[in-house]
Parts: sequence; C-alpha cells; structure tokens
Amino acid sequence: DAGVIQSPRHEVTEMGQEVTLRCKPISGHNSLFWYRQTMMRGLELLIYFNNNVPIDDSGMPEDRFSAKMPNASFSTLKIQPSEPRDSAVYFCASRPSGLNAGSNEKLFFGSGTQLSVL
Amino acid sequence: RKEVEQDPGPFNVPEGATVAFNCTYSNSASQSFFWYRQDCRKEPKLLMSVYSSGNEDGRFTAQLNRASQYISLLIRDSKLSDSATYLCVVRERAGGTSYGKLTFGQGTILTVHP
Repeated sequence: DAGVIQSPRHEVTEMGQEVTLRCKPISGHNSLFWYRQTMMRGLELLIYFNNNVPIDDSGMPEDRFSAKMPNASFSTLKIQPSEPRDSAVYFCASRPSGLNAGSNEKLFFGSGTQLSVL
Repeated sequence: RKEVEQDPGPFNVPEGATVAFNCTYSNSASQSFFWYRQDCRKEPKLLMSVYSSGNEDGRFTAQLNRASQYISLLIRDSKLSDSATYLCVVRERAGGTSYGKLTFGQGTILTVHP
C-alpha cells in the first residue's frame, strides 16, 4: 500500500493567491482528516470527513478555507485568498473505520505539504 | 487551559539515559490515549497506545492515571535514533454528538547525544 499521498510536497506562493492542497487516502479508509501544524499552535484539526461527508469543520479558521471530498479516494483543501499567517505544514490523515472506529485505531498520516505564503 | 498539555522541552540526554515525558489532559470524558512520534520534517507516526494498567513495548513504558488526568512515557537506555518530537494524543469518548475526536499535544522535543 502506498500510504496516504499528498501533493504538492512544497508550495510557495504570494499573498492573495489561491492554494489547493490534495490528498489521496489509503484505499478502503472511511475517515479522512486535514491537520495544520505550526510551531506556535502544534497540530490542529481543520476538518474531518467520514464516508466523504464533512462531520466536523469547527477547526477551519475562516471562510478563506474550504475542503471537499468528492469521492472516497480524493480530497482537497483550498485557501483563497492566501495570507502569510497561513504558512504551515498541512497534513492529511486517514484511518480505516468511520464514526464507530475502535478506540485504539491509529491514524495514518501523509508526508504533508509545506506551505509558504510570502 | 489547553486540552492536552505537554512540557515542550527540549530534553537533551546522553545515550543510555532514562527520560520521562508527562502529559495532562483536561477532558475527563477522554477515552483513549496514545503517544505518537514525529521525526524532523516528517509526519507523525503511532508509537504506542496507552492502556489503563500501563503497558510496555521494549524500552518504552506508557502509564495512565485517569484520576489525575495524566499520561507518561518512559524511555530507558536512550538511543541516538530516539531523537524526535513525542506527541501526546487524547481521544474523546465516541457516542451521542461526539465522534471521538483526537486532540494532539504540542509535543516534547527529545535530543539524545553521544
């Protein structure tokens, strides 16, 4: 299994530009998570999908952020317009089960996208 | 108060040393507990789950104190390869309106030197 695949690995953009991050979860996994990691705030959950449906988007910072999961094998996180404070590492993660996941079921993370907004 | 709090360190220890990390959590309804390891510029990976009775995996021992809402990780005989950031993770109980959200601590940095 190839694991969770994220693209791009690095993204450098200018303030005001649109940024789209992509994620392919592990085949058969029903749950998908988007996290953001910074030195100041650590790992923060942005949004959680179960069976392609957004369940918890309370961590999405503001309207500039949006996420979609059109099918079980693909998700996007979009920032429009981007700002310097959005600079962070964005991780996508998946796990096999959905809402009734076993209590000790682990998350599988992608390698992350390092975003720099100038 | 943060939901999951850890001493950020850094901890700098020589090879062979024993080192312990602590973590406290604020939600008494938390159900499951984990330690994840994150190497520099890499993604987090599960190190071990933490069970109520405490559990060991080789040189690593995890303990849970539900009454004090406290989790610990002990590393014996430290190796250079143990250098990483260790993330304490708490999962809330699933049921009702809760889906069992995972909350990560900010991590404790460990550097093991020769």
